[in-house]
Amino acid sequence: DTAVSQTPKYLVTQMGNDKSIKCEQNLGHDTMYWYKQDSKKFLKIMFSYNNKELIINETVPNRFSPKSPDKAHLNLHINSLELGDSAVYFCASSQRAGPSTDTQYFGPGTRLTVL
Amino acid sequence: DAKTTQPTSMDCAEGRAANLPCNHSTISGNEYVYWYRQIHSQGPQYIIHGLKNNETNEMASLIITEDRKSSTLILPHATLRDTAVYYCIVRVGTNAGKSTFGDGTTLTVKP
Repeated sequence: DTAVSQTPKYLVTQMGNDKSIKCEQNLGHDTMYWYKQDSKKFLKIMFSYNNKELIINETVPNRFSPKSPDKAHLNLHINSLELGDSAVYFCASSQRAGPSTDTQYFGPGTRLTVL
Repeated sequence: DAKTTQPTSMDCAEGRAANLPCNHSTISGNEYVYWYRQIHSQGPQYIIHGLKNNETNEMASLIITEDRKSSTLILPHATLRDTAVYYCIVRVGTNAGKSTFGDGTTLTVKP
């Protein structure tokens, strides 16, 4: 069984569209994250949720809205897609936000291409 | 979180030990050192972490200097499949996820 899964793996869409990426973890972890990796391979955190509550919200356009229906799922919805949103988006999870327990397990990534 | 400095790239012969250095001179007392790697097109993979003492697991060893200002990740017998970008990160455990992976070191294992 895949520990952290994301769908879709590839997403190609036009500018201005709205799209969602789904993430699920079956590790029983409390904390989940979204990262963005741009063309320069720089991996930057976007959001973090702990038990369905937002705990980290980096400087991300409000077109990006994470939603956590339960602690095993963290979905990312993106409105009005722009060319600069093209990147690989990684979901991750960790046991809990505590000392020495921040080992993160990453999903396979979703490659988003905005045309 | 403390900033880290790593060499941009390194080569290693297959079967030899790969030693990847990381400088974190501004690390504070409650910050852990974590290592991850990213094999091409895959999600980052956790390798090892430590606070003060040296650590070893089935993947690697982590050597942290006494002043904690630098560390070395050791892959004892590198294989071609160890070719990846290796990220050294320091952060407080309670500040989960609030960290930047940086540029990392691209390790190329050669036959």
